[in-house]
Amino acid sequence: RKEVEQDPGPFNVPEGATVAFNCTYSNSASQSFFWYRQDCRKEPKLLMSVYSSGNEDGRFTAQLNRASQYISLLIRDSKLSDSATYLCVVNGGTSYDKVIFGPGTSLSVIP
Amino acid sequence: EPEVTQTPSHQVTQMGQEVILRCVPISNHLYFYWYRQILGQKVEFLVSFYNNEISEKSEIFDDQFSVERPDGSNFTLKIRSTKLEDSAMYFCASSDLGNEQFFGPGTRLTVL
Repeated sequence: RKEVEQDPGPFNVPEGATVAFNCTYSNSASQSFFWYRQDCRKEPKLLMSVYSSGNEDGRFTAQLNRASQYISLLIRDSKLSDSATYLCVVNGGTSYDKVIFGPGTSLSVIP
Repeated sequence: EPEVTQTPSHQVTQMGQEVILRCVPISNHLYFYWYRQILGQKVEFLVSFYNNEISEKSEIFDDQFSVERPDGSNFTLKIRSTKLEDSAMYFCASSDLGNEQFFGPGTRLTVL
């Protein structure tokens, strides 16, 4: 099983749509979880950390299910500027362990 | 807003040559990282650095690679004898508590 797996893309959605991305991870000792976005040929940018209780930041909601080793990201009211690759990122048991990036899911928001 | 910077933005080198990629992490951060991303592939961890030593490295980070923090601000990645397959985007990242990492804009390395 790969360390971090994500939905294969691409997701093509109209403006205003709600879209959900899923991610699973294999290391049950992982303690920290993140969603990053990456624009073409740019660096990954932190979108949000993912907490056990779930967390929301504007149009973005992240959920974590430790029992299922599953993370999700929900984007409501999609905007053209949301078009990017969304990366699920998980690290190991200690905070400075290496982080493992998922392969990413590509999102295109269409006018 | 503080940010991670990297130089150069693009480096072209001949196979077998040494390259040094430079990074200036965010000033109060304590944890430093290098990643690479081959075109069209996922971001791959290379090495993490804390308290002036390597804390973890991946299988990619072999004897050809080394890292150094030569002064209080720079963090460098050296590739001793570049290979064609080293062509990639190299990202530096830093973190204050070893949790959320902030990435620099990357150095695109092209090995000919």
